[in-house]
Amino acid sequence: GPKVLQIPSHQIIDMGQMVTLNCDPVSNHLYFYWYKQILGQQMEFLVNFYNGKVMEKSKLFKDQFSVERPDGSYFTLKIQPTALEDSAVYFCASSPGGSNSDYTFGSGTRLLVI
Amino acid sequence: GQQVQQSPASLVLQEGENAELQCNFSSTATQLQWFYQSPGGSLVSLLSNPSGTKHTGRLTSTTVTKERRSSLHISSSQTTDSGTYLCAIDFNNAGAKLTFGGGTRLTVRP
Repeated sequence: GPKVLQIPSHQIIDMGQMVTLNCDPVSNHLYFYWYKQILGQQMEFLVNFYNGKVMEKSKLFKDQFSVERPDGSYFTLKIQPTALEDSAVYFCASSPGGSNSDYTFGSGTRLLVI
Repeated sequence: GQQVQQSPASLVLQEGENAELQCNFSSTATQLQWFYQSPGGSLVSLLSNPSGTKHTGRLTSTTVTKERRSSLHISSSQTTDSGTYLCAIDFNNAGAKLTFGGGTRLTVRP
């Protein structure tokens, strides 16, 4: 079936540096999402994005986080500056929107901040 | 708030046994998806079942909307079924987001 592609699969970065996580959503999907999962813990919603705008963000979506999707490009999550507690797996997802929509998730980017 | 509770938290079976996983949720669901998360962490959608009963392969899901609960039945379990099963709900937000439960960690022994 259609897939969400995430690049890179792994990233190690020094605390304080900037990191950009990239996501290529399913081509005809209109809604995009980022989720965060700390090792061994629950999958947590970060933010959703529709029609070029953030619709909703959780309290985990700190001021250091930003998302965008320039036309024809990746849907990105940028963290600037990174902190140790940002170490987690970040999952991107997309859906067509509307009731009974199926959500398609990527394989995740494993981010380690040292 | 909008919550998703899964039970049991963990389950150990012998190969060939059946598994019954439960998901209870706090308010109306416009979408309910069951996911499998492998020990390596990748996420696979198993099936979507906001209401009624759905089958795919050895999996059967039954969702009783009025009672705000869903079950996932795995028949004739295999060692490769080991991993974490996640229930996720869209709470009447029509595509705004999924809220995940804490998961059931399944171990199938040979």
